[in-house]
Amino acid sequence: GAVVSQHPSWVICKSGTSVKIECRSLDFQATTMFWYRQFPKQSLMLMATSNEGSKATYEQGVEKDKFLINHASLTLSTLTVTSAHPEDSSFYICSADVAGGPSYEQYFGPGTRLTVT
Amino acid sequence: GENVEQHPSTLSVQEGDSAVIKCTYSDSASNYFPWYKQELGKGPQLIIDIRSNVGEKKDQRIAVTLNKTAKHFSLHITETQPEDSAVYFCAAIFSGYSTLTFGKGTMLLVSP
Repeated sequence: GAVVSQHPSWVICKSGTSVKIECRSLDFQATTMFWYRQFPKQSLMLMATSNEGSKATYEQGVEKDKFLINHASLTLSTLTVTSAHPEDSSFYICSADVAGGPSYEQYFGPGTRLTVT
Repeated sequence: GENVEQHPSTLSVQEGDSAVIKCTYSDSASNYFPWYKQELGKGPQLIIDIRSNVGEKKDQRIAVTLNKTAKHFSLHITETQPEDSAVYFCAAIFSGYSTLTFGKGTMLLVSP
């Protein structure tokens, strides 16, 4: 149980284009989903927290107009990187918190490798 | 701000040995402490967690201990195997927050 999927697993795009990444909880409903980015040999950096049906909460320093997050249902959240630039190249990982109370347990997706050329 | 310190940054052991990774945290009201294993190119996998009302928790070869007074918690892996090689992250939930704060990670290498 508690499986989270991400699509695509990797993507290459040209500078200036937009890329959408999907995060799905496959066998549970997620009250809250989180988006992280991770640079090589570094820890996970939280970008934003999203709750179903409401606006995402962005961490300090994360541009909300550049990283658009939509949490349309209890099983799907999307991250859109708009007008991507090479510095946006990174490993993007989502996680989901099981609905129904503050269990705090977060289950992570397999990640999406974004390369902007 | 609140943070989590993790040591060591790298750890090399021989197969069959034990490995211990330690994390310290700054918020005495923290109440949830998970450990994640991340293999190269993959997302983190929750391997064990502990809550503040428990001092120790075991799951086969893996155990986590929590010392609330000293504000530190440790991951213990016994009888290590090459497939245990990965980066391990500790994390904590600080009071008033619902988000995880991660340590910087420990690269564990188990040599056969």
